[in-house]
Amino acid sequence: DGGITQSPKYLFRKEGQNVTLSCEQNLNHDAMYWYRQDPGQGLRLIYYSQIVNDFQKGDIAEGYSVSREKKESFPLTVTSAQKNPTAFYLCASSPLELGHSGANVLTFGAGSRLTVL
Amino acid sequence: EDQVTQSPEALRLQEGESSSLNCSYTVSGLRGLFWYRQDPGKGPEFLFTLYSAGEEKEKERLKATLTKKESFLHITAPKPEDSATYLCAVQAPGNQFYFGTGTSLTVIP
Repeated sequence: DGGITQSPKYLFRKEGQNVTLSCEQNLNHDAMYWYRQDPGQGLRLIYYSQIVNDFQKGDIAEGYSVSREKKESFPLTVTSAQKNPTAFYLCASSPLELGHSGANVLTFGAGSRLTVL
Repeated sequence: EDQVTQSPEALRLQEGESSSLNCSYTVSGLRGLFWYRQDPGKGPEFLFTLYSAGEEKEKERLKATLTKKESFLHITAPKPEDSATYLCAVQAPGNQFYFGTGTSLTVIP
């Protein structure tokens, strides 16, 4: 079955540590996204990528970094510069080409919950 | 400014008590409006895409409708397993997506 796999599901970080969240998709989608979800807030875009070796900052990119070395993979690193990293992180992907009616459906992974100790 | 507002924030229904969730949006050049279901601790699951005003889509007890300014997710005779958070999102030109904060639905047996 095609889908998006995020790992780990739960992650704990100590102050000053960098951690990396994995995101792998086998949907052959060109576009991939990282969102952060906090209680009472809508999903906020961290980074997105439309092609290998290229990515753009979203609304809350500070303290995060990404890479896109393969079409299937889009890992997110939460650096020590991110002051409030405790959150639920969602990876998503979509086709780059617009659907027949001009829209794309985002497919999400199961999420990774990061807690700072 | 492009934005999406969902109401109510939370909704408690008795089993079988029908109701509607609202998603109001402001976006230039709407490409599509999406409804997702999200269970606690899981990723959003796609439900519907609506593309133009007047469009309606149905799936089991759910029916989504779209006007030029808002969308409704109607839930008919809900069951406890319909309890979840329902997210609304819009796609603008440039592959930009905007999400609402969601409506948390609880259906009581």
